[in-house]
Amino acid sequence: DGGITQSPKYLFRKEGQNVTLSCEQNLNHDAMYWYRQDPGQGLRLIYYSQIVNDFQKGDIAEGYSVSREKKESFPLTVTSAQKNPTAFYLCASSGRGGPFFGQGTRLTVV
Amino acid sequence: SQQGEEDPQALSIQEGENATMNCSYKTSINNLQWYRQNSGRGLVHLILIRSNEREKHSGRLRVTLDTSKKSSSLLITASRAADTASYFCATDFNAGGTSYGKLTFGQGTILTVHP
Repeated sequence: DGGITQSPKYLFRKEGQNVTLSCEQNLNHDAMYWYRQDPGQGLRLIYYSQIVNDFQKGDIAEGYSVSREKKESFPLTVTSAQKNPTAFYLCASSGRGGPFFGQGTRLTVV
Repeated sequence: SQQGEEDPQALSIQEGENATMNCSYKTSINNLQWYRQNSGRGLVHLILIRSNEREKHSGRLRVTLDTSKKSSSLLITASRAADTASYFCATDFNAGGTSYGKLTFGQGTILTVHP
């Protein structure tokens, strides 16, 4: 069953902690993306990667880090430097079409 | 930035009526896409229209693109209660012309269809 899988669906983090969000795709797409969505807002691009071992900052990269060691995986780490991390995070991938989105991870700082 | 702006912010209609949502953007684009999002869920791709296309249909959806006015519209005909969702336009202005994922999103239109 092809698609994009994000996990976990809900995540709670204590202030000062780093947390990693998982994104896996089996669509054989070269490009992958992380977006952030705040209530009542559109999506904003955090990081993107168009090929393995390479990634670029998006519009709101501060306080986030990523890696792209495998084509299928593009994990996002929300670091303690991110001042307002509570949001809905969406991963996407694209090949000849798309992008296609995962179901999202809702991160809450407690 | 090239953020799209959508109009109206919220739209409430009765089942069977048509719903029209508009999107404006600021600079030249490669393509424009429309997405749907049910509350708290991921985005579902509805339709992509390229900069050299003027109109595209998919089932009950009709999308138009006017590059001279830098605007697009999404029409949903014969709406159903299940169409209730947020609808977003997203533009791709990547200079390479091949990346479909580095998108700039509007703030969305919240559509409510009453049974």
